[in-house]
Amino acid sequence: AQKVTQAQTEISVVEKEDVTLDCVYETRDTTYYLFWYKQPPSGELVFLIRRNSFDEQNEISGRYSWNFQKSTSSFNFTITASQVVDSAVYFCALSEATGANNLFFGTGTRLTVIP
Amino acid sequence: EAQVTQNPRYLITVTGKKLTVTCSQNMNHEYMSWYRQDPGLGLRQIYYSMNVEVTDKGDVPEGYKVSRKEKRNFPLILESPSPNQTSLYFCASSLSVQGHQPQHFGDGTRLSIL
Repeated sequence: AQKVTQAQTEISVVEKEDVTLDCVYETRDTTYYLFWYKQPPSGELVFLIRRNSFDEQNEISGRYSWNFQKSTSSFNFTITASQVVDSAVYFCALSEATGANNLFFGTGTRLTVIP
Repeated sequence: EAQVTQNPRYLITVTGKKLTVTCSQNMNHEYMSWYRQDPGLGLRQIYYSMNVEVTDKGDVPEGYKVSRKEKRNFPLILESPSPNQTSLYFCASSLSVQGHQPQHFGDGTRLSIL
């Protein structure tokens, strides 16, 4: 069965600090997709990144970077030089190729960036 | 503007009074889905649809119904709401099932069942 674990329920950092949000997943499929979504205080869900299981290259987008390691079934998200606007709940999610495009979400990590 | 629109955004109602949450997307997406978000549980899928007239259960379908008579609309129906259905609901859509394209989410509907 599929499962996504975000063990960090809440994290607080001071502005400009770096922070890493952990995501560990379980799946029996050899082909799958991993996602990160951001939910700011306004409540909407914002897509950040999609990664397929055959692409283990790390990705950087501005202050955001993602580290995908199949050996440890992890897809961690790092924010460099955090800003107050990064305060949000972040969700990691998994979609398996054998199913429809259904997302299995972790329970989320609430990040608070203190000015 | 490409978007997924849910209505209403907020609703307080009473047990047993049928309600419908509408969802409409203007992107000609094939795939649509409903999720509910509860504290400590993340988002869980209720129902999904891969195309018109094709719907299937997600992880928590009990107490809900859906229909997909047109490609753009995917309403969520609570025939006899109960307090345990108090939650934040999201509708989502994606271009197709192929390649597991990212889902676009609506702004959410907060339901309170008294």
